[in-house]
Amino acid sequence: GAGVSQSPSNKVTEKGKDVELRCDPISGHTALYWYRQSLGQGLEFLIYFQGNSAPDKSGLPSDRFSAERTGGSVSTLTIQRTQQEDSAVYLCASSLQAGQGRLGETQYFGPGTRLLVL
Amino acid sequence: GDSVTQMEGPVTLSEEAFLTINCTYTATGYPSLFWYVQYPGEGLQLLLKATKADDKGSNKGFEATYRKETTSFHLEKGSVQVSDSAVYFCALAEGFNKFYFGSGTKLNVKP
Repeated sequence: GAGVSQSPSNKVTEKGKDVELRCDPISGHTALYWYRQSLGQGLEFLIYFQGNSAPDKSGLPSDRFSAERTGGSVSTLTIQRTQQEDSAVYLCASSLQAGQGRLGETQYFGPGTRLLVL
Repeated sequence: GDSVTQMEGPVTLSEEAFLTINCTYTATGYPSLFWYVQYPGEGLQLLLKATKADDKGSNKGFEATYRKETTSFHLEKGSVQVSDSAVYFCALAEGFNKFYFGSGTKLNVKP
């Protein structure tokens, strides 16, 4: 079956512009995650959605970042007024569910969106 | 707060050599631990996981044991192959929204 897909695969934008990154999780997966991988850094957790529940946004790096998930499926990560330090690979992952109150479910990652802010 | 620390790379080995990539963690509760791998040109994928102390995760000849007493989850393989060349990430998940990944260790295996 199809894996997690993300679009666009690459995005070059000018400083100050807004960008939208899209993630299509694996069908049937109720949990969806966004991460950022900056050059030479590890993965930084941004936000997590479980079904239609309101997400915990405390991991988002600034108020320029927002994310939504419509209908418990597709998610969009929006970065407003982009800055050069936003340049990174943005990864989306999905999993079946959080799992009995503990998070131990395997996450399946998409190929990522490479964002370059000039 | 919670965190994951893994050894810096790159690690360069000859084929059939023994591999160890160290990973230690800091957590307030009882996390699940993972190793993810990213092969050249591919996305991240789960290699193995362990959800409680003393569990051993294993896959494709790789093993890691969840050691609560040393807060470690070191990745090992007895005999590496060129095809194992990749970047390996140690990760921790705790509660509903705590995910931490290490910075990644690049492994180069030479024939």
